[in-house]
Amino acid sequence: EAGVVQSPRYKIIEKKQPVAFWCNPISGHNTLYWYLQNLGQGPELLIRYENEEAVDDSQLPKDRFSAERLKGVDSTLKIQPAELGDSAVYLCASSTGTVTGELFFGEGSRLTVL
Amino acid sequence: GQNIDQPTEMTATEGAIVQINCTYQTSGFNGLFWYQQHAGEAPTFLSYNVLDGLEEKGRFSSFLSRSKGYSYLLLKELQMKDSASYLCASLDSNYQLIWGAGTKLIIKP
Repeated sequence: EAGVVQSPRYKIIEKKQPVAFWCNPISGHNTLYWYLQNLGQGPELLIRYENEEAVDDSQLPKDRFSAERLKGVDSTLKIQPAELGDSAVYLCASSTGTVTGELFFGEGSRLTVL
Repeated sequence: GQNIDQPTEMTATEGAIVQINCTYQTSGFNGLFWYQQHAGEAPTFLSYNVLDGLEEKGRFSSFLSRSKGYSYLLLKELQMKDSASYLCASLDSNYQLIWGAGTKLIIKP
């Protein structure tokens, strides 16, 4: 069974430029999460989807971040414009349901903003 | 507020036993999770406790005391490959995972 797939693995951009990350969850997983993780810290939730619906986006900085999950499968996270403080690893995870808590993570997209 | 506390770093010797503690304060409680994260890799699930007591799974065991807001992860017969960060996370009343900062475990030969 294929795991959660993310791309790109690494991205280096200059501040004020846009960037987008893509995630393909495990087949059949209805719940999809985008997390941000800084070095030496735990993951911080940005947004959680149940199928196509964003059920928790309270931590998403909506002035510059946007996300979508068309058809309830793949998802894209966009930052525009990027700031220096956005440098981090962006993790996508999926699960079969919100109550289980067992998340399957992708390898992450490491963003460096110069 | 919601808070998860765990030590920043621990060191142990190959073949030994180590216990990583975690205390939590969350709005409601629906379970406590431990994840392992090797450097540069994604977190992977280790254990889930929702009732008090010890859950054993091979070399790893996890304990929960809901009355004390306390959990620990016990690693036996340590191997070099166990060097990683161990993340404690509590599932709150909204079924949202509240994550700790992780404990970096260093295994020495």
